Amino acid sequence: EAQVTQNPRYLITVTGKKLTVTCSQNMNHEYMSWYRQDPGLGLRQIYYSMNVEVTDKGDVPEGYKVSRKEKRNFPLILESPSPNQTSLYFCASSFGGISAYGYTFGSGTRLTVV
Amino acid sequence: GIQVEQSPPDLILQEGANSTLRCNFSDSVNNLQWFHQNPWGQLINLFYIPSGTKQNGRLSATTVATERYSLLYISSSQTTDSGVYFCAVMGDKIIFGKGTRLHILP
Repeated sequence: EAQVTQNPRYLITVTGKKLTVTCSQNMNHEYMSWYRQDPGLGLRQIYYSMNVEVTDKGDVPEGYKVSRKEKRNFPLILESPSPNQTSLYFCASSFGGISAYGYTFGSGTRLTVV
Repeated sequence: GIQVEQSPPDLILQEGANSTLRCNFSDSVNNLQWFHQNPWGQLINLFYIPSGTKQNGRLSATTVATERYSLLYISSSQTTDSGVYFCAVMGDKIIFGKGTRLHILP
């Protein structure tokens, strides 16, 4: 089944403890992206990647890192999480941004930083 | 950058009613997509519609690119239509609107 898989689905952590949220897709998509969703603010893009070893900042990149060493994986790294990074996170992938070929989201990761 | 505005922000309807959701964008875009986020948080593609009209069952969408807006129509609403509807446009970046939250009452 074609899908984007995020792990974990839920995570509670403490301020300053490094964490990684994994994202993997099995559709051979070039484009991958991370979003955070907060009440009243919609979906905001954190980072995106057009292909392997190519990453770019989105609208809210501060406090986050990403890497794209393989086409299928696009992990999101929080080196020193803070409470303002408590949010619902989504990974997405496609053949090239939004197109007729679809834009597939993972199931989301709900992160709480205390 | 491109601004995307959706209206209304919230909509409460009785089951069986029809609704129209609007997405305005501030500049020319290459692509436009409508998504539905169900009450469990899952984001699902509805329509890829940079221009013209498409229909899928009770849902249809129209984009008038020259006037920079898109409309999503939901007819004969069902409780399963509840959730948040987002439009997203792609210029040099992908920009999402803030969504319309739809509540369908049984």
